[in-house]
Amino acid sequence: GAVVSQHPSWVICKSGTSVKIECRSLDFQATTMFWYRQFPKQSLMLMATSNEGSKATYEQGVEKDKFLINHASLTLSTLTVTSAHPEDSSFYICSARVYTSNQPQHFGDGTRLSIL
Amino acid sequence: AQKITQTQPGMFVQEKEAVTLDCTYDTSDQSYGLFWYKQPSSGEMIFLIYQGSYDEQNATEGRYSLNFQKARKSANLVISASQLGDSAMYFCAMREGIPLRFGAGTRLTVKP
Repeated sequence: GAVVSQHPSWVICKSGTSVKIECRSLDFQATTMFWYRQFPKQSLMLMATSNEGSKATYEQGVEKDKFLINHASLTLSTLTVTSAHPEDSSFYICSARVYTSNQPQHFGDGTRLSIL
Repeated sequence: AQKITQTQPGMFVQEKEAVTLDCTYDTSDQSYGLFWYKQPSSGEMIFLIYQGSYDEQNATEGRYSLNFQKARKSANLVISASQLGDSAMYFCAMREGIPLRFGAGTRLTVKP
């Protein structure tokens, strides 16, 4: 159980394009979803926390107009990288949890985004 | 300020031996959770083990155990009987409140 599906796995696109990444909890309802960013050989950095039906809470330094997050249902959150540039190239990972304190966050398999 | 510290960028261990990966943390909360995740080169995050701040016993999950020393604010991961498939990045993470935040990670290489 507790499967999180993330799509697409790989994206290569031109500079200036907007890219949408989907994150779905397949067998549970995720009250809260998280988006992380990971540069090569670095750790996961939290970008934002989203709760279903409300606005996302962004970490300091993350541009909310650049990284649009929508959490329209208990099983789906999307991250849209708007007008992407080469510096946005990274590994993006979504995560979800059921609201009990001792449960781990379940992670999607990540999306490798390359902006040319 | 970094709240989760992993001081070992890389570790090597001989196959079948045990290895300890260090993790220290900083928090003023009384209630928090500590987690370890494994990330192979393919990128997925695999949950290994959890320790709650109120848990009196050290957590164990198969070959993984967590050496929790609350007063020292450390939560070291012990992997027993290392296998070649254990080669990966290992991240210590802490939850105070809602989101998980991660340490810098340790790259473990198991030698045959």
